[in-house]
Amino acid sequence: EAQVTQNPRYLITVTGKKLTVTCSQNMNHEYMSWYRQDPGLGLRQIYYSMNVEVTDKGDVPEGYKVSRKEKRNFPLILESPSPNQTSLYFCASSLRVKNQPQHFGDGTRLSIL
Amino acid sequence: GESVGLHLPTLSVQEGDNSIINCAYSNSASDYFIWYKQESGKGPQFIIDIRSNMDKRQGQRVTVLLNKTVKHLSLQIAATQPGDSAVYFCAEKIIARTGNQFYFGTGTSLTVIP
Repeated sequence: EAQVTQNPRYLITVTGKKLTVTCSQNMNHEYMSWYRQDPGLGLRQIYYSMNVEVTDKGDVPEGYKVSRKEKRNFPLILESPSPNQTSLYFCASSLRVKNQPQHFGDGTRLSIL
Repeated sequence: GESVGLHLPTLSVQEGDNSIINCAYSNSASDYFIWYKQESGKGPQFIIDIRSNMDKRQGQRVTVLLNKTVKHLSLQIAATQPGDSAVYFCAEKIIARTGNQFYFGTGTSLTVIP
C-alpha cells in the first residue's frame, strides 16, 4: 500500500530535550515536505526537499532541522524544543515532476511542556 | 509570506444539496492549486487540482473553478453526502528559489445535515 508513515504519532516531552520525528514514504517520491498545523492558521510549510541531499526552508523553519540522506526518509529534528513548537505535524511527499499533489501522513501530535 | 484565505470558516448543507467552498489567494505567480479534504485524526487527502492555465476542472462529484482575474478558487461538491463532512483546504504552489513551496488556507469545516 502506498503510504507516508510518521513516527511517533503522539509525543509529550519537555523543553530542551532533543527529539526526532521520522517520516518514510514507499512511493519513490523525490519531493518531501514537513508542515505544522495550528488552529486558525492552517498548514504551514516548515522545510521541503526536492531530492536527496537537497533541502530548503519553507515558511516557518525556525527551531527545526531536516536531513535527506535517502530518498524514502525525511526526518524532522527539534534540537531544543520549546512550548511554541507544540503542534500537529504532517509529512508529505510527491513526485518531483511539475504539478503533482502531495500524499500526507496521518500526523504527529507533539506537546512540549 | 503568501496568504491563502477562505471566505467562510464553517459551512452547513443539507444532504443532497450542492456545496461551494471558496478560497482567495494573493500571489499571481502561483501556477498550481489543490483542494484537500481532512477528516478528524487524519492527514489531508487530495481531492482535485487545477493548473493556472485552466479555469475549470471536473472530477467525480467535484468541480474546481479558478478565476485568475480576482485570484479566487472554489470547490463545488455535487449532491453532498454525510461522508463529505470534513475540513477542506485549498493550497497554492509557488516556485521558490530552490523548489516548490506550498501555502495552505486556514480551512473550511463542512457539515452535512442528514
